Amino acid sequence: DGGITQSPKYLFRKEGQNVTLSCEQNLNHDAMYWYRQDPGQGLRLIYYSQIVNDFQKGDIAEGYSVSREKKESFPLTVTSAQKNPTAFYLCASSMGPVRVTTNYGYTFGSGTRLTVV
Amino acid sequence: GQQVMQIPQYQHVQEGEDFTTYCNSSTTLSNIQWYKQRPGGHPVFLIQLVKSGEVKKQKRLTFQFGEAKKNSSLHITATQTTDVGTYFCAPGTASKLTFGTGTRLQVTL
Repeated sequence: DGGITQSPKYLFRKEGQNVTLSCEQNLNHDAMYWYRQDPGQGLRLIYYSQIVNDFQKGDIAEGYSVSREKKESFPLTVTSAQKNPTAFYLCASSMGPVRVTTNYGYTFGSGTRLTVV
Repeated sequence: GQQVMQIPQYQHVQEGEDFTTYCNSSTTLSNIQWYKQRPGGHPVFLIQLVKSGEVKKQKRLTFQFGEAKKNSSLHITATQTTDVGTYFCAPGTASKLTFGTGTRLQVTL
């Protein structure tokens, strides 16, 4: 079955350490996204990528970095510069730009819960 | 990104009652999507609205896009316990979606 796989499901990090969250999709989607969700909050966009080898900052990119070397993969690195990294991280993908002639949305992975200890 | 307000933040209903969540924007939206997130889960796409005054139905769910394309609503008729979760509206540009704050729905027997 096609879908998005995020790993690990739970991740614990010590303060001052960088950590990389994995996101892999086999949907042949061009666009991929990273969102952060804090308890009881909505989703905030960290980074997004419309095509391979290109990505843009979202609303809260500080303290994060990404790469898009392959169409299927969009890993997110949470660096030590991120002051409050404890959150639920969601990766998503879509066929491409939102088009008014279609009715498809984003497909989300199951998420990674990151806790700084 | 485009800013939207969702109200209410939380609603608790008894099974069988109706439920409505509203999404309001100060600017005109080109399109809006709706998602449902079950407790502990991830958002799942429900529908996309693009036309002024558009109304779409999915079984007990009715989605509306305002005439001015500045607001949208999701109405659930005769709620069931399976409707529990947080409902998000998400207006979009061609390149990305901005999610609202969500409305958390609790349904009890």
